[in-house]
Amino acid sequence: EVQLEQSGPEVKESGESLKISCRGSGFPFDGYWIGWVRQMSGKDLEWMGIIYPSDSRMHYSPSFEDQVIISADKSTSTAYLQWRSLKPSDTAIYYCARVPRSWTDGIDVWGQGTTVSVSS
Amino acid sequence: EIMLTQSPGTLSASPGERVSLSCRASQSLAGSRFLAWYQQKAGQPPRLLVYAASSRATGIPDRFSGSGSGADFTLTISRLEPEDFAVYYCQHFSNSRATFGQGTRVEI
Repeated sequence: EVQLEQSGPEVKESGESLKISCRGSGFPFDGYWIGWVRQMSGKDLEWMGIIYPSDSRMHYSPSFEDQVIISADKSTSTAYLQWRSLKPSDTAIYYCARVPRSWTDGIDVWGQGTTVSVSS
Repeated sequence: EIMLTQSPGTLSASPGERVSLSCRASQSLAGSRFLAWYQQKAGQPPRLLVYAASSRATGIPDRFSGSGSGADFTLTISRLEPEDFAVYYCQHFSNSRATFGQGTRVEI
C-alpha cells in the first residue's frame, strides 16, 4: 500500500526546536517530490515547500523560506520539517504530501497530518 | 504570483442535486495540466479528486468531473451523495510552488 506516515502530535513551548517526520512506503521514495502543507485551525491550505529526495533539490514558498527547514533521507524514505525556534503562530496541522515528477498529476498521496501546538 | 479565487464560499444543497464549484485564476494558466481539485472532510487530510483540470484520480466516482481552461475552472458533482458534504479546494502548480484556493464548503 502506498502511504505517507507522519510522526505523532507535538506540544511545545515558544522558542523550542522541533523536527517532524514523514516516512514513505509502497513506492520509490526517491522518484517523487515530497511537499509540506500547513493548515491552521479551520483555515486554508498553505504550501510551505517541497523536496526531491533523490538529489535534495528544494523549493520553498517565500512565506516559509526563513521559518522552516525541509530535508530528506532517501536511505530511510523519510522527509523532515524542522523549526529552530517555534512561535505560538506555528500552531497548526502539518501535512506531507507526494507530488509525481511531472507535476501534472496533482498531489496524489497525503500523510495523516501532524498536529503541532505551541504555547507562549 | 498566481492567485486562485473559489466561489461560492459556502454552497447549501441537498442530496441528489447537481452542483458546480468555481475556481478562477488571477491570470490565464499556461496550460491547465497543473490544475487539480481536492476534497477535505473534517479531521482528514485532503483527497485528490481531479488532476490536469479534467482527469479523475484513481477510485474517484464518475459523479465528480472537472472542466475549464485559461483562467476559469469548474468542479461539478452531478448528484450529491451524503458523503460529498465537505470542503473542496482547487490547486495549481507554477514555478515549483503550489497555490491553493480558499475552498468552497458544500453543506446541507
